[in-house]
Amino acid sequence: GAGVSQSPSNKVTEKGKDVELRCDPISGHTALYWYRQRLGQGLEFLIYFQGNSAPDKSGLPSDRFSAERTGESVSTLTIQRTQQEDSAVYLCASSSSYGGANVLTFGAGSRLTVL
Amino acid sequence: DAKTTQPNSMESNEEEPVHLPCNHSTISGTDYIHWYRQLPSQGPEYVIHGLTSNVNNRMASLAIAEDRKSSTLILHRATLRDAAVYYCIPHNAGKSTFGDGTTLTVKP
Repeated sequence: GAGVSQSPSNKVTEKGKDVELRCDPISGHTALYWYRQRLGQGLEFLIYFQGNSAPDKSGLPSDRFSAERTGESVSTLTIQRTQQEDSAVYLCASSSSYGGANVLTFGAGSRLTVL
Repeated sequence: DAKTTQPNSMESNEEEPVHLPCNHSTISGTDYIHWYRQLPSQGPEYVIHGLTSNVNNRMASLAIAEDRKSSTLILHRATLRDAAVYYCIPHNAGKSTFGDGTTLTVKP
């Protein structure tokens, strides 16, 4: 596809369950970002992948959160033992350049509701 | 990451120009100034970016101060569809941090 694809678009889960959120970046984009956006708030940086380099995990809020990406392909954000405060829209973005005008293209997001 | 300061909210009348300011006094010499906007219930979308010179595209214009410590996004004729949260982000490589942005309300 032409854009960044995220799935599922909506996920409702029970407290304590694990969830996986998927991001398909634009083909050829070497950089991939995950953000969290709680209702009515701004975007919180979670993690950044650049090619095969070690990811920048500085935004992950706890060890319940992890993300993987193989090469320059799909990424999965995993939240273990979900809590109600994890309810948010999780946004993925990809970009094509390292340095310079690093323009991000965002997906539509995955809305997570933890009951 | 460079810290940014933007007004929390602004209002405009439809068909009038809008100037959205951003202060980024700690910007590094290699950071580009990016602007994104987020329409209700959507992911952010790219608007414009620049390094030193003023920039124009079909969506907006970007005016960058000579010392690069501030910039202004200009919407020449606001429409109702321009109602969104506008984010100013100095960025080069690595993680990109979004602030709280400016919520633009456009009145008919």
